[in-house]
Amino acid sequence: AQSVTQLDSQVPVFEEAPVELRCNYSSSVSVYLFWYVQYPNQGLQLLLKYLSGSTLVKGINGFEAEFNKSQTSFHLRKPSVHISDTAEYFCAVTKGTSGTYKYIFGTGTRLKVLA
Amino acid sequence: GAVVSQHPSRVICKSGTSVKIECRSLDFQATTMFWYRQFPKQSLMLMATSNEGSKATYEQGVEKDKFLINHASLTLSTLTVTSAHPEDSSFYICSATPIGGLGDTGELFFGEGSRLTVL
Repeated sequence: AQSVTQLDSQVPVFEEAPVELRCNYSSSVSVYLFWYVQYPNQGLQLLLKYLSGSTLVKGINGFEAEFNKSQTSFHLRKPSVHISDTAEYFCAVTKGTSGTYKYIFGTGTRLKVLA
Repeated sequence: GAVVSQHPSRVICKSGTSVKIECRSLDFQATTMFWYRQFPKQSLMLMATSNEGSKATYEQGVEKDKFLINHASLTLSTLTVTSAHPEDSSFYICSATPIGGLGDTGELFFGEGSRLTVL
């Protein structure tokens, strides 16, 4: 079975500072990894994904993440955050993309960008 | 892009009544839809996998008689919370993937969520 761990429940950071949101996973099989963002009272929006290929993945809104197989990590980074980045961020894993595989979500990290 | 729509976005009901939440894929067909429940400041908990034309697959601990799921067509799945009680108050989110799988996108498309408040 797969599992996802997001070690930080909350991350406060000042505007224009860099940020890293951590995600570690465990799985006995190859997985696909995702980061989603959720704004208050809304559904989830895909930030970026790793399916295969380059381990450095670039997503929307200036976010990027690096897949590290040896450390089973998929940390999310942004070099300079904005107030509008304040939201809940979820890391997710699935073992297949057929459409029938379950997605397992981490517990989420609340990013709060301070002025 | 693929759009998933949920309705209603907010619903308030009295204890003991039943509430239906709809999840529609607007520009694609989905044989599989997922229903999640999210408590305040917590992650998404998968409740069930909705399969078009067959019974839903429920996760352990989810009461299938309490949370009725019907996937009537390739673009519509409904979640009915029967005899709702205050502890059923939550944010319910559905998601869907196109027929044929996620292909190169690998993306799961989410509805906007439905907030249920049971008085």
